[in-house]
Amino acid sequence: KAGVTQTPRYLIKTRGQQVTLSCSPISGHRSVSWYQQTPGQGLQFLFEYFSETQRNKGNFPGRFSGRQFSNSRSEMNVSTLELGDSALYLCASSPGQGGDEQYFGPGTRLTVT
Amino acid sequence: AQKVTQAQTEISVVEKEDVTLDCVYETRDTTYYLFWYKQPPSGELVFLIRRNSFDEQNEISGRYSWNFQKSTSSFNFTITASQVVDSAVYFCALSEARGSQGNLIFGKGTKLSVKP
Repeated sequence: KAGVTQTPRYLIKTRGQQVTLSCSPISGHRSVSWYQQTPGQGLQFLFEYFSETQRNKGNFPGRFSGRQFSNSRSEMNVSTLELGDSALYLCASSPGQGGDEQYFGPGTRLTVT
Repeated sequence: AQKVTQAQTEISVVEKEDVTLDCVYETRDTTYYLFWYKQPPSGELVFLIRRNSFDEQNEISGRYSWNFQKSTSSFNFTITASQVVDSAVYFCALSEARGSQGNLIFGKGTKLSVKP
């Protein structure tokens, strides 16, 4: 099976702009979770989608949003970018049951200038 | 509140040494899951193991072994005869069964450097 894919791999944006990141899960997986990784805060959970519905959400401002399509692919959007949004954004997929192991993609490295 | 603590920020060993990475967790749930992930310099998190709270059996997979002890809320990871390719950041993570689907709580990670 192909692994989790994320596009783009690298992105440079200017403060105030918005950005959309994409994630394609492993075939058959219905759950997609997003995480932000920074040197200061480590790995933090953003949100999780299952069958096109947001099922769980972390403690991030409303500028961070996402969606999931019927084929389980997911997108994450960040509006009004701030310098502090510079991070590695990781997407993970799993079958969708509580406690399932999650399989991660290579990440999107976002730099906000 | 749930929390994962990896007290060792960085560890440096010489090849062929054994090394143990510590993980201590906090949760109020009786049903939960523990994980270890490896993050090599390329950045992708690689799944290593999952343990549920009802299974305290230790596990061995090649040079890797895991020691789960509920009494001390610990889930430690040992690499035997370390190799340079083991150099990476290792994360311990916790998932509670109820109301937290898809949400892994990660520790801060332990950076392991294995020198030849």
